[in-house]
Amino acid sequence: GAGVSQSPSNKVTEKGKDVELRCDPISGHTALYWYRQSLGQGLEFLIYFQGNSAPDKSGLPSDRFSAERTGGSVSTLTIQRTQQEDSAVYLCASARQGLNQPQHFGDGTRLSIL
Amino acid sequence: GENVEQHPSTLSVQEGDSAVIKCTYSDSASNYFPWYKQELGKGPQLIIDIRSNVGEKKDQRIAVTLNKTAKHFSLHITETQPEDSAVYFCAAPGGAGGTSYGKLTFGQGTILTVHP
Repeated sequence: GAGVSQSPSNKVTEKGKDVELRCDPISGHTALYWYRQSLGQGLEFLIYFQGNSAPDKSGLPSDRFSAERTGGSVSTLTIQRTQQEDSAVYLCASARQGLNQPQHFGDGTRLSIL
Repeated sequence: GENVEQHPSTLSVQEGDSAVIKCTYSDSASNYFPWYKQELGKGPQLIIDIRSNVGEKKDQRIAVTLNKTAKHFSLHITETQPEDSAVYFCAAPGGAGGTSYGKLTFGQGTILTVHP
């Protein structure tokens, strides 16, 4: 079946612009996660959605970052007034309901801020 | 919160040899430990995971061992092949008390190179 789909695959933008990144999770998965991976580094947790519960936003690095999940499916991660340090690969994962369910990742969006 | 340390950062082996990657974690309440393989330009792919009620799990050439007392777990790849070359990440549930609310804390990754 279809895996996690992210778009765009690459995004280049100028410093100060806003960007929106999209994630389509696996059908039926109620949990959705955003992570950030800087060059040569591990993955850093950003935000977590589980069903209709309030999202866990504890990993968002600043108030320029926000995310929504509409209708319990598609999610968008928005970065306002982008800075060069925002350059990274943004990865989305989804999982079935329940603790410690395997997380399945998309191929990410590579964001470059000029 | 959880802290995960991974070693080595790079590992080079000859085809057919075994490869071992080790991780330690800090939260004794953590109870789920996945391993991911990431190829260039791709997202991480889950290759094996283990839960704290078992000490070892195998899947063909891949095995994971868990020592809860010492708070470490290891990935073992036997009979390595060039296509095993990739970056490997370990992870543990993040958040207070290991109940995590789902998020994972990742190790820094190991670049595995298998020479033909």
